[in-house]
Amino acid sequence: AQTVTQSQPEMSVQEAETVTLSCTYDTSESDYYLFWYKQPPSRQMILVIRQEAYKQQNATENRFSVNFQKAAKSFSLKISDSQLGDAAMYFCAYERNSGAGSYQLTFGKGTKLSVIP
Amino acid sequence: GAVVSQHPSRVICKSGTSVKIECRSLDFQATTMFWYRQFPKQSLMLMATSNEGSKATYEQGVEKDKFLINHASLTLSTLTVTSAHPEDSSFYICSARVFDQPQHFGDGTRLSIL
Repeated sequence: AQTVTQSQPEMSVQEAETVTLSCTYDTSESDYYLFWYKQPPSRQMILVIRQEAYKQQNATENRFSVNFQKAAKSFSLKISDSQLGDAAMYFCAYERNSGAGSYQLTFGKGTKLSVIP
Repeated sequence: GAVVSQHPSRVICKSGTSVKIECRSLDFQATTMFWYRQFPKQSLMLMATSNEGSKATYEQGVEKDKFLINHASLTLSTLTVTSAHPEDSSFYICSARVFDQPQHFGDGTRLSIL
């Protein structure tokens, strides 16, 4: 079974600074997707970034970028120029690409990010 | 694009009542919909996977007779919590996807059983 581990229950960052959230996962598959989702206090799940395992290039979305290390099974999220609106729970998630319609997400336990003004 | 609407956002009802939660994909036809449950300060736990026109696939430990899922069309799935009790109180959230595209989530339903 796939597992996703987020070792940092809570993190804080000064506004405008950079913070990195850690995520490791365990899988025997070679083809899969990795995600970071953001859940603000409103509890809406917002997709931050998606990485396809077969792509070596790290995904980026504006101030958000990942460091994907496939051999190490590591998938960290870097948030640059942190803003107050970035404060939220961040969930790392793994999705196996079975090619047969089975695309279930496995979530980590989350990291609560606080942004200090 | 890719908007998922979930209704109602909040339900408070008496023990023994059945509660229906709707999940709609507004601007796309979802091949698969998912139902999750989230306890306070915890992660999302997948309850079931639902494909249009077929029976839902429930995760181990989820009672099929307690949590009825109907996926009548490519844009609508419903979760009915039957004979709800206080231990069913939780945050329920749905998601929808098209084939291998990322899941898009509804805003969730906070269910409180008195």
